[in-house]
Amino acid sequence: QVQLVESGGGVVQPGRSLRLSCAASGFAFSSYGMHWVRQAPGKGLEWVAVIWFGGTNKNYADSVKGRFTISKDNSKNTLYLQMNSLRAEDTAVYYCARERLVAARPLDYWGQGTLVTVSS
Amino acid sequence: QSALTQPPSASGSPGQSVTISCTGTSSDVGGYNYVSWYQQEPGKAPKLMLYEVSKRPSGVPGRFSGSKSGNTASLTVSGLQAEDEADYYCSSYAGSNNWVFGGGTKLTVL
Repeated sequence: QVQLVESGGGVVQPGRSLRLSCAASGFAFSSYGMHWVRQAPGKGLEWVAVIWFGGTNKNYADSVKGRFTISKDNSKNTLYLQMNSLRAEDTAVYYCARERLVAARPLDYWGQGTLVTVSS
Repeated sequence: QSALTQPPSASGSPGQSVTISCTGTSSDVGGYNYVSWYQQEPGKAPKLMLYEVSKRPSGVPGRFSGSKSGNTASLTVSGLQAEDEADYYCSSYAGSNNWVFGGGTKLTVL
């Protein structure tokens, strides 16, 4: 069955970096686009970034553009999110999610999330 | 990339129908039939309930339906059940490989 397991969250000071990982299993990871979505405590969902199945094409929300980098290692079935210059407003649960292979590319499987807290 | 607009709350009694709206612009909801709806129970990850406005993934009850008119999409839950109580989020493709979510609606089954 499809499984997505995030890791790498924790407490980090403002301005520092953190890298999140998402280990995928149960499907052909190299054939799927992947997303990161975050949810601040008590708030709604916010789309963060997308990466195409091959790992070449990527895009980001304006709020993280230039600071976050999404990547995927198809040989390791792992998705990453490198987060630099972290701010307090980046505090959230970060979910990785898989695209469904249809035109609209909705997110059909989600991980359980990993909490990132940016605080001094 | 402004968030889509959803009512903060909605409610209904068991067996009733409730509709949740999701309003965007011609650049997102109105421009594409690529609206999705997600259900999120407390402490859990979101679950895909509808995609491409009205299509249901396997396993999603037929009580959940979707529609769109202009820049507004809607999720209708018919025959409300206690287990439907959750937060619901709409999402839309917004062009140029961007996606946007709504602010979420807390559905209460009275």
